Amino acid sequence: AQSVTQPDIHITVSEGASLELRCNYSYGATPYLFWYVQSPGQGLQLLLKYFSGDTLVQGIKGFEAEFKRSQSSFNLRKPSVHWSDAAEYFCAVSSGGSYIPTFGRGTSLIVHP
Amino acid sequence: DTGVSQNPRHKITKRGQNVTFRCDPISEHNRLYWYRQTLGQGPEFLTYFQNEAQLEKSRLLSDRFSAERPKGSFSTLEIQRTEQGDSAMYLCASSSSSGDYEQYFGPGTRLTVT
Repeated sequence: AQSVTQPDIHITVSEGASLELRCNYSYGATPYLFWYVQSPGQGLQLLLKYFSGDTLVQGIKGFEAEFKRSQSSFNLRKPSVHWSDAAEYFCAVSSGGSYIPTFGRGTSLIVHP
Repeated sequence: DTGVSQNPRHKITKRGQNVTFRCDPISEHNRLYWYRQTLGQGPEFLTYFQNEAQLEKSRLLSDRFSAERPKGSFSTLEIQRTEQGDSAMYLCASSSSSGDYEQYFGPGTRLTVT
């Protein structure tokens, strides 16, 4: 069965600082990987996804993520965080057949001015 | 395109009552998904439809949970005889069944069982 681990429950950064959110997955075959963001009162929004090809994927809002098969990781990065990035971030994995993602428990990003 | 909508946004009910939530997907999407999200956790998949066919329902939490999508458009999720443990956010998402199947999520219905 597929699973996702987000080891950091909370991350606090200063505005303008760089950000990396960690995600490790467990899945036997080549996974489909996703990062979603959830702001209070809002639905989940897809930031980026990896299906195949280039292991560094670019997403919306200046985010990127790198798929590292050897480490079973798909970490999310942003070079300079804005106060509006404060939200809950979820990593997810799915198999190619179902396209139904299994989500991690999320990482809450707090941005200090 | 108005996105995925869910109604109501909030529901407070007493234990033992039945509740029904509605989801209206993006009009051109033929897949519709239901998830439950409890505090401090990621969304947990419950069931999904392709058109009016319910293709996966083994992950529904108990036989008190049921979902329908009678005409392949909107869907309802019903919880019978609610329990306090049912208190959660119930999310709906929709996607096409071609391309990358990207799911678009609604804002959710927050259920509180007292």
